[in-house]
Amino acid sequence: KAGVTQTPRYLIKTRGQQVTLSCSPISGHRSVSWYQQTPGQGLQFLFEYFSETQRNKGNFPGRFSGRQFSNSRSEMNVSTLELGDSALYLCASNRAASGGASGNEQFFGPGTRLTVL
Amino acid sequence: AQKITQTQPGMFVQEKEAVTLDCTYDTSDPSYGLFWYKQPSSGEMIFLIYQGSYDQQNATEGRYSLNFQKARKSANLVISASQLGDSAMYFCAMGRGSTLGRLYFGRGTQLTVWP
Repeated sequence: KAGVTQTPRYLIKTRGQQVTLSCSPISGHRSVSWYQQTPGQGLQFLFEYFSETQRNKGNFPGRFSGRQFSNSRSEMNVSTLELGDSALYLCASNRAASGGASGNEQFFGPGTRLTVL
Repeated sequence: AQKITQTQPGMFVQEKEAVTLDCTYDTSDPSYGLFWYKQPSSGEMIFLIYQGSYDQQNATEGRYSLNFQKARKSANLVISASQLGDSAMYFCAMGRGSTLGRLYFGRGTQLTVWP
C-alpha cells in the first residue's frame, strides 16, 4: 500500500508570493491533517479535512487555507508569504473510521520544506 | 487544554542497550490516543506505536513498547536493543476522541545511539 505523498518536496519563494502544497493520503484514508514544523514553535496543527469539509482548525491566520477533494487528496495554500512561514509542512492521513480510536492512527508524508526569502 | 510534555531534550544510549523516553500528557477527555513518532534528519515522521486510552495492555511493536500508566498520565517509550539507526528525534503525541484527527505534540527528544 502506497504511503502518504506530498508535492513538491522543496520550495523556495519570496515574501508576498503565494504557494500551494499538495497531499495524497493513503488509499482508503478519509481524513487529512496539516502541520507546520519550525525549530522555534515545534509541530503545530494547521487544519484537518474530512469528507471535503474542514473539521478542525488550529490557531493560524487566514492566510493559511486548505481544501479537500472528493478523492481525499488535499491542498493547502499560503497567501502573502512571510519570512516566518519558512518551515517543514507535514501532511498526515488516517482512516477516521467510527467505532473506536484503534486503527485511526495518523501516518505522515515526507513533508514539503518551504523557504521564504 | 491538551498538553504533552517531554522533559528530556537529549538522550544518549550505547548500542544494544535499552532506553526509555519520557512523555506525560494532560487531558480531561476519557477517550484519547497516544502516539510515538520518529523523525530522522530527513524530516519524515515515522509512526512507531500507538496506545488507546481504553487499551488494557501496553502496546508493543517489535523493539518498541509503550509503558502506559494512565493514573500518572504517562506514556513512556521503551526501545530495546538500540541500534545506530535509532538515532533521531522522537515525538510523543496525543489525539482526542475516536477519530484522532488532530494531534498535540511534545517538543521531542533527540536520541543519539553510540557504538
